[in-house]
Amino acid sequence: GENVEQHPSTLSVQEGDSAVIKCTYSDSASNYFPWYKQELGKRPQLIIDIRSNVGEKKDQRIAVTLNKTAKHFSLHITETQPEDSAVYFCAASIWGDKIIFGKGTRLHILP
Amino acid sequence: DVKVTQSSRYLVKRTGEKVFLECVQDMDHENMFWYRQDPGLGLRLIYFSYDVKMKEKGDIPEGYSVSREKKERFSLILESASTNQTSMYLCASERGTTNSPLHFGNGTRLTVT
Repeated sequence: GENVEQHPSTLSVQEGDSAVIKCTYSDSASNYFPWYKQELGKRPQLIIDIRSNVGEKKDQRIAVTLNKTAKHFSLHITETQPEDSAVYFCAASIWGDKIIFGKGTRLHILP
Repeated sequence: DVKVTQSSRYLVKRTGEKVFLECVQDMDHENMFWYRQDPGLGLRLIYFSYDVKMKEKGDIPEGYSVSREKKERFSLILESASTNQTSMYLCASERGTTNSPLHFGNGTRLTVT
């Protein structure tokens, strides 16, 4: 079955700098790659997703890139702010199948 | 806005007890999922369901069962709770169309003593 690896497990960046979180997946049939953000004590919520027919997608300060050949995808956050502090999860799925998550990255934004 | 409601926020049970975790969604979603969340291990899929009375094993089904008698309700059952099942349990639902996002409940923190 699908396996998703996520790195790093913890990331600290200075406020205003950029943060990058990387994930790899094992099943080349996977075609949907969502990212979820979980703030302390709250439920995970979708922040951005990308489908396999697209190489990059951007939404304000957040962008996701996908390299199907290498089977990896990344989350980029620019101009980080204190409210970006959270745990971020990448995930992969094949249409109509279960969504498998990475182990998460705890992002700390330093003042 | 989709609402996924889990019946309990915190639950304390004794080893060997039968435990029911309930989840209800109000948007007529086809698919429902149970995950457990543990520090350093992320979100691991226990069971999921694509339709009423249907269930599929996830990655860690041992020690759990599920029930989906109605479309809006998906129950997770711990037949005989053990201390290693102490965890945060998250229910989620999904529309069931191509690549739609998961909507999570607030979670149930279960402690087994």
